[in-house]
Amino acid sequence: DTEVTQTPKHLVMGMTNKKSLKCEQHMGHRAMYWYKQKAKKPPELMFVYSYEKLSINESVPSRFSPECPNSSLLNLHLHALQPEDSALYLCASSLADRNTGELFFGEGSRLTVL
Amino acid sequence: GESVGLHLPTLSVQEGDNSIINCAYSNSASDYFIWYKQESGKGPQFIIDIRSNMDKRQGQRVTVLLNKTVKHLSLQIAATQPGDSAVYFCAENVGGYGQNFVFGPGTRLSVLP
Repeated sequence: DTEVTQTPKHLVMGMTNKKSLKCEQHMGHRAMYWYKQKAKKPPELMFVYSYEKLSINESVPSRFSPECPNSSLLNLHLHALQPEDSALYLCASSLADRNTGELFFGEGSRLTVL
Repeated sequence: GESVGLHLPTLSVQEGDNSIINCAYSNSASDYFIWYKQESGKGPQFIIDIRSNMDKRQGQRVTVLLNKTVKHLSLQIAATQPGDSAVYFCAENVGGYGQNFVFGPGTRLSVLP
């Protein structure tokens, strides 16, 4: 199984809502990532979990809250988002040690904030 | 953070011709590079990678060249096909702990019939 599965594929939420994005992989990878991608732009790193611990937080606003319940699962909790947070949110996984291979990406969750 | 990539948003090539997509990087400490392909509505897909101790690496129809002197990467696609139409990103592992990839601005490849 070489897939990273993200749910939901599409999400529309109001600025006062609380929602979560979910990501799952069964490749035995111990590093998992959240990237944000706006239209016609490259993916931008938000968070990295390595061995279930948050290792990188790229100064992301606190309205985005990541969680890594176990080595296969990664969540992104969303609260009080702004319309400019509308984007494609990509989850990825990889081996955890440096330069040990590529990131495997999911298909993304397209988020619209009204 | 440091930026990666030349601003070359669109490349149009005839089907069957070779394509060359370029990328500049600015972090001299980066030692691992990946090319990704992203089709509309999908996540990035791995194409080929190269480590800094190499100058060239070949895959099936693709070749990546690395010039560390001028901090430049290129992706060559041989006999470009319609299915190659996509946005291509270079990504560099910028250093520090573990895997920390920064993506270049991307190039859209359009294959003309």
